[in-house]
Amino acid sequence: DTGVSQDPRHKITKRGQNVTFRCDPISEHNRLYWYRQTLGQGPEFLTYFQNEAQLEKSRLLSDRFSAERPKGSFSTLEIQRTEQGDSAMYLCASSLEAGSSYEQYFGPGTRLTVT
Amino acid sequence: AQTVTQSQPEMSVQEAETVTLSCTYDTSESDYYLFWYKQPPSRQMILVIRQEAYKQQNATENRFSVNFQKAAKSFSLKISDSQLGDAAMYFCAYRSAKSGGSNYKLTFGKGTLLTVNP
Repeated sequence: DTGVSQDPRHKITKRGQNVTFRCDPISEHNRLYWYRQTLGQGPEFLTYFQNEAQLEKSRLLSDRFSAERPKGSFSTLEIQRTEQGDSAMYLCASSLEAGSSYEQYFGPGTRLTVT
Repeated sequence: AQTVTQSQPEMSVQEAETVTLSCTYDTSESDYYLFWYKQPPSRQMILVIRQEAYKQQNATENRFSVNFQKAAKSFSLKISDSQLGDAAMYFCAYRSAKSGGSNYKLTFGKGTLLTVNP
């Protein structure tokens, strides 16, 4: 068990460019979540997957954002036509919902800076 | 919609002393989970302690304990014998115990930055 990993850890991009982030959850976890954290705020929920199915999306997730989890393993979050307001830390978490286990375990995050 | 409020943006404590971080929440649900997460500078968020709303007994994990007051919708974190490594941003979070939809998401407060003075 190596924990949740995210790649890249930092991304600097110019406004209007597309970016893609990857998250690898803890291997046996069936749920995967994406959150966004801006400076001075707590994380805010974006979307989550159960296995490969995307079951819920926040209204924060505009149509420029898309997330996938092919084969129920790793997930990608793509932002198209980035805007300066997209600058934030993007956090991935995973959980195994079984019995008394429901905690979400977080990755180190990808810090996006849009210039 | 549930909300979580942390009214202390910053707190400080002397090493080896005890500190209490406050958290209140608003919900119409009767069954839910509450969490405290720790986020050290430039490091990932880790779970400190969790509490199930149906349990009356307050959770404890080594030097960390909570005071869960369901009627008051209050969930404070007490850190005993504070250590330099406890310095971090602490987030209180809520999750519904219901199944389906957006019930699995965590709702976070804005956090409390804890400084530990040697």
